[in-house]
Amino acid sequence: AQSVTQLDSHVSVSEGTPVLLRCNYSSSYSPSLFWYVQHPNKGLQLLLKYTSAATLVKGINGFEAEFKKSETSFHLTKPSAHMSDAAEYFCVVSDLSTSYDKVIFGPGTSLSVIP
Amino acid sequence: DAGVTQSPTHLIKTRGQQVTLRCSPKSGHDTVSWYQQALGQGPQFIFQYYEEEERQRGNFPDRFSGHQFPNYSSELNVNALLLGDSALYLCASTPKPGSYNSPLHFGNGTRLTVT
Repeated sequence: AQSVTQLDSHVSVSEGTPVLLRCNYSSSYSPSLFWYVQHPNKGLQLLLKYTSAATLVKGINGFEAEFKKSETSFHLTKPSAHMSDAAEYFCVVSDLSTSYDKVIFGPGTSLSVIP
Repeated sequence: DAGVTQSPTHLIKTRGQQVTLRCSPKSGHDTVSWYQQALGQGPQFIFQYYEEEERQRGNFPDRFSGHQFPNYSSELNVNALLLGDSALYLCASTPKPGSYNSPLHFGNGTRLTVT
């Protein structure tokens, strides 16, 4: 069975400094991995996805993530944080055992950006 | 191109009452999934509808039921509301089921408060 661990429940960074949100997963198959962002009282928006192509994935708003199979990690990074990046971030895994779209969400990481 | 739309945006109900939430999928999508997101937690899968049938179900009691219409829109019904049902209910759509590497497209959710 799959599982997702987001190592930090809350991350705080200063505007203009790098962002690192950590995600580790377990999967019996080659997984697909996603990062979603959720602003307050909004639905989730896809930031990026990994589906067994390039291990370094670029997403929207300057975010990127690197799939490291040996470390079972899919950490999300951004070189320079912007105030608008303050939100909740979810790492998501699915694989062939998921059946349909019953994907597994991590518990989320809340990102605060300090001016 | 209309995205996923949900109604109403907010709802307040009393314990024991029944509630119906509505969702229209993104244009071109025919599969709808429902998620419950309690405050401070990640979304939990409730069920998925495709071809007007419930295809997958998460760990939710029978008080949670749904329906999908020929135009692919969907309803989520919750009977005998409990205080613990207070949450953000998210609808997500995909082009078809079985695509474990297809991202979910989410609506903005319905905030249900049970008093």
